[in-house]
Amino acid sequence: GAVVSQHPSWVICKSGTSVKIECRSLDFQATTMFWYRQFPKQSLMLMATSNEGSKATYEQGVEKDKFLINHASLTLSTLTVTSAHPEDSSFYICSARDLQGNTGELFFGEGSRLTVL
Amino acid sequence: GQNIDQPTEMTATEGAIVQINCTYQTSGFNGLFWYQQHAGEAPTFLSYNVLDGLEEKGRFSSFLSRSKGYSYLLLKELQMKDSASYLCAGDTGGFKTIFGAGTRLFVKA
Repeated sequence: GAVVSQHPSWVICKSGTSVKIECRSLDFQATTMFWYRQFPKQSLMLMATSNEGSKATYEQGVEKDKFLINHASLTLSTLTVTSAHPEDSSFYICSARDLQGNTGELFFGEGSRLTVL
Repeated sequence: GQNIDQPTEMTATEGAIVQINCTYQTSGFNGLFWYQQHAGEAPTFLSYNVLDGLEEKGRFSSFLSRSKGYSYLLLKELQMKDSASYLCAGDTGGFKTIFGAGTRLFVKA
């Protein structure tokens, strides 16, 4: 089946630094990818929709200047958390849909756990 | 607006059957997903219902009623490894998926 790979799996950084997370679709092309964040014991919150070759669409309340999204190719989207602060510590998950598949299934990356000190 | 509701927690016994309900109100609707998520891991796909009715897949079955905005996930012959969070998610169109808060299922011996 379709596979989405996310890197890094976990990262620890100092407050004020920027962190980049990559999301790749390994065996299918994804014109659209999605970025979620998840706090402990809570569900996934959609942050933004990443569109290949155009600007990302951000959900209400998500700062686009803080969470920079770049979808430069059909298989790669990146999320950069700029000037990270401890409150940005969370589990970030990307996903993509294989539109050629029969189920319309949403495939998830492994997730990236960010800890900001 | 977008609203997906499911119980916060459920407890069931190994070998039993459990039904996790989900109601939804979304602007635009293509189908209903169920995902399983173990702590610290990404969700894994269980089912995707587009049409009304019950779809069975091994020990797991999923039901959808579009007119009622209602779905359930049925887990049979529960095993300890089924202890996890189960996420109901609405496919709202535009390829956007909105998740419910999840139901934490505890399976006890």
